[in-house]
Amino acid sequence: EPEVTQTPSHQVTQMGQEVILRCVPISNHLYFYWYRQILGQKVEFLVSFYNNEISEKSEIFDDQFSVERPDGSNFTLKIRSTKLEDSAMYFCASSDLQEQFFGPGTRLTVL
Amino acid sequence: ELKVEQNPLFLSMQEGKNYTIYCNYSTTSDRLYWYRQDPGKSLESLFVLLSNGAVKQEGRLMASLDTKARLSTLHITAAVHDLSATYFCAVDRLRASYGKLTFGQGTILTVHP
Repeated sequence: EPEVTQTPSHQVTQMGQEVILRCVPISNHLYFYWYRQILGQKVEFLVSFYNNEISEKSEIFDDQFSVERPDGSNFTLKIRSTKLEDSAMYFCASSDLQEQFFGPGTRLTVL
Repeated sequence: ELKVEQNPLFLSMQEGKNYTIYCNYSTTSDRLYWYRQDPGKSLESLFVLLSNGAVKQEGRLMASLDTKARLSTLHITAAVHDLSATYFCAVDRLRASYGKLTFGQGTILTVHP
């Protein structure tokens, strides 16, 4: 069964460093998303991406964040200069507008 | 702004009992999702509800949707320990926001023997 994959599963970084989180969406899906979940809290929308551009972003998705689809399969989230409060689980999701499927997540720890 | 609220936020049940989790949302939405999350894991899709009066069942879980009341319920029948997890509802508005999901706070369900 097709699934969304994410790498790495766990990323530890120092405050101020750049991180790139990678996702491979389901191959025939056209809509891609990033969400984050701070430990013990609800899942929050960050950004949606369609037709090679951002379709919507939340207030959390400030200038430190960017997304890219560098080739036909990968979808990346970059945080330019990480802060302590960026520590969270980051989920990638993809959709064909029938249903949205989530990847296993990347746990980001900022020290 | 679309808001989604679940209650209860914590639910401690005995095995064999029945209970219901409620999900209210503030504005018209296209679809209502229920997800399960085990600790440290991803979100597993349980149900997608599309229309008023929709009811779906899988095993001991049954979800329903009342779009007029902007309310969905997740009913648990004869709970077993394996159902212990966090349950989230989420809604989307396809025409307004490309399928972006807005989540409730989650209900932490613990089933005791």
